[in-house]
Amino acid sequence: DTEVTQTPKHLVMGMTNKKSLKCEQHMGHRAMYWYKQKAKKPPELMFVYSYEKLSINESVPSRFSPECPNSSLLNLHLHALQPEDSALYLCASSQVQRREQYFGPGTRLTVT
Amino acid sequence: GQSLEQPSEVTAVEGAIVQINCTYQTSGFYGLSWYQQHDGGAPTFLSYNGLDGLEETGRFSSFLSRSDSYGYLLLQELQMKDSASYFCAVRDGYGQNFVFGPGTRLSVLP
Repeated sequence: DTEVTQTPKHLVMGMTNKKSLKCEQHMGHRAMYWYKQKAKKPPELMFVYSYEKLSINESVPSRFSPECPNSSLLNLHLHALQPEDSALYLCASSQVQRREQYFGPGTRLTVT
Repeated sequence: GQSLEQPSEVTAVEGAIVQINCTYQTSGFYGLSWYQQHDGGAPTFLSYNGLDGLEETGRFSSFLSRSDSYGYLLLQELQMKDSASYFCAVRDGYGQNFVFGPGTRLSVLP
């Protein structure tokens, strides 16, 4: 199984809502990532979990809150987002210190 | 700081060979990777260079020169399905921090 799954595929939320994005992998990878991607731009790293511990937080606003409940799951909790946060949110996983990342299909988020 | 540069667009015809260049300036360097992303899809891993030289994977090859902070992706026998965006990415010295280049949009014409 070389698949990373993400739910939901699409999400529309208001600026006062609270929602969560979910990511799951069963490849035994111990590094998991959240990226944000705007149209026609590269993926932009937000958070990295290594062995279920947050190892990188790329100065992301606190309205984004990551969580790694176990080695297979990664959540991104969203609260009080702004319209400029509308983007494709990609989850990825890899073996720690390995070069190849496996990406999920992403969640297309629209903030109204 | 970290910066990567790629051409924004490349156009070629079916059956041709195309080279997509990537130059980088990073605080640390732990290898150069290449990813392909079709419109509406997720990035997929294509190739990796940790040491200088050429790596070949089927129709795709990738090259790295660490002394020149330069690499390229070579796509041979182009097919229409190769039309996509191609990103180079560097893992710098800080753990799992991956930085992606701006991407090159490849259009393959019949």
